[in-house]
Amino acid sequence: DAKTTQPTSMDCAEGRAANLPCNHSTISGNEYVYWYRQIHSQGPQYIIHGLKNNETNEMASLIITEDRKSSTLILPHATLRDTAVYYCIVHNYGQNFVFGPGTRLSVLP
Amino acid sequence: DTEVTQTPKHLVMGMTNKKSLKCEQHMGHRAMYWYKQKAKKPPELMFVYSYEKLSINESVPSRFSPECPNSSLLNLHLHALQPEDSALYLCASSRVGSTEIQPQHFGDGTRLSIL
Repeated sequence: DAKTTQPTSMDCAEGRAANLPCNHSTISGNEYVYWYRQIHSQGPQYIIHGLKNNETNEMASLIITEDRKSSTLILPHATLRDTAVYYCIVHNYGQNFVFGPGTRLSVLP
Repeated sequence: DTEVTQTPKHLVMGMTNKKSLKCEQHMGHRAMYWYKQKAKKPPELMFVYSYEKLSINESVPSRFSPECPNSSLLNLHLHALQPEDSALYLCASSRVGSTEIQPQHFGDGTRLSIL
């Protein structure tokens, strides 16, 4: 079973920041938080991952709370091409990779 | 464009047919994965190969038979499938990590329909 809960769907205006929350209240100390997204008719695409510290790359920023029980993926300037299902996954090395239902993000013009 | 290539993109087969799905990557990754994705559902892990050896089999029925002939190729052999096996089959690859699972690169999948 997935160890995360995410909103089923969200809307975001084009050009604005999209903030996608993820709750992982049972996360253990050595589990990482991963984010992937899946655009319609494509395979999933890796976005970012982190353990404790906030992370940023060319696609997004990942903010992990100090108690690690939740995180937020931030797309700083959403475009129509960011419309996708976003998956938050908590994973520990040696475990199987389990996708939850994800959040369907719609970026609106 | 994806760096993981899956062929064919679409496949329609009868329940008595034998067919194979193919996946290829040239990123030097030594871990390769098969996932199954039903419509409007998240991907579900089926198999994991690490250094060309099967390391995880998620209790997949024997009518699905994976094969990793070399470090760049991953096949999924199909035989006597059922209509409920109709789905999108995704292949992924990654580097083998020592402390954390490395980002997986996915192909765009083979859409399989069983008649």
